Amino acid sequence: QKEVEQNSGPLSVPEGAIASLNCTYSDRGSQSFFWYRQYSGKSPELIMSIYSNGDKEDGRFTAQLNKASQYVSLLIRDSQPSDSATYLCAVNYGNNNDMRFGAGTRLTVKP
Amino acid sequence: DAGVIQSPRHEVTEMGQEVTLRCKPISGHDYLFWYRQTMMRGLELLIYFNNNVPIDDSGMPEDRFSAKMPNASFSTLKIQPSEPRDSAVYFCASSLPGGYEKLFFGSGTQLSVL
Repeated sequence: QKEVEQNSGPLSVPEGAIASLNCTYSDRGSQSFFWYRQYSGKSPELIMSIYSNGDKEDGRFTAQLNKASQYVSLLIRDSQPSDSATYLCAVNYGNNNDMRFGAGTRLTVKP
Repeated sequence: DAGVIQSPRHEVTEMGQEVTLRCKPISGHDYLFWYRQTMMRGLELLIYFNNNVPIDDSGMPEDRFSAKMPNASFSTLKIQPSEPRDSAVYFCASSLPGGYEKLFFGSGTQLSVL
């Protein structure tokens, strides 16, 4: 079973705080991991990808991967109201581009 | 490039009717995915194609659903007959060759079956 689990939230943080979003996956053979952001009524858009254990930083975003624990996280520093959206964790199962998504965590950043 | 193009943006139909959703992937992308999104189940993979060939259709809910990709620039998802529980947003996405690549999503089709 190819499962991707996320806490659905909602997660509420004050402006300027760090938002922490978590994701677990079921298949140890998974190779690549992604975070998508989806604004209400819009389609998902990729914000981060990570392929190896450790941290990957891009501006205010940091993705963290721990393959031994089958755990992926996304940290958003200095959260802004414009970061309010649903964040979807996605896992690519294997070499044939079989991309599965978690249910998403809804984040609200309060001014 | 115009991105992934889906039509129609909204579809309202009555139970029992046939519904056809359309997708044009980004030129040069050889993977095409159909997803369905609902509040209850999130974003579910229905089927995906590589080089116009269906690779995995295990997510297609039942025989009422069918998908085709007759050429590299066009795909359809058909529901016949439609039921109220099919109401959802249906997304098409495409990606580049090679795997491990980002998905580019279309704007989606909001389907309401009355």
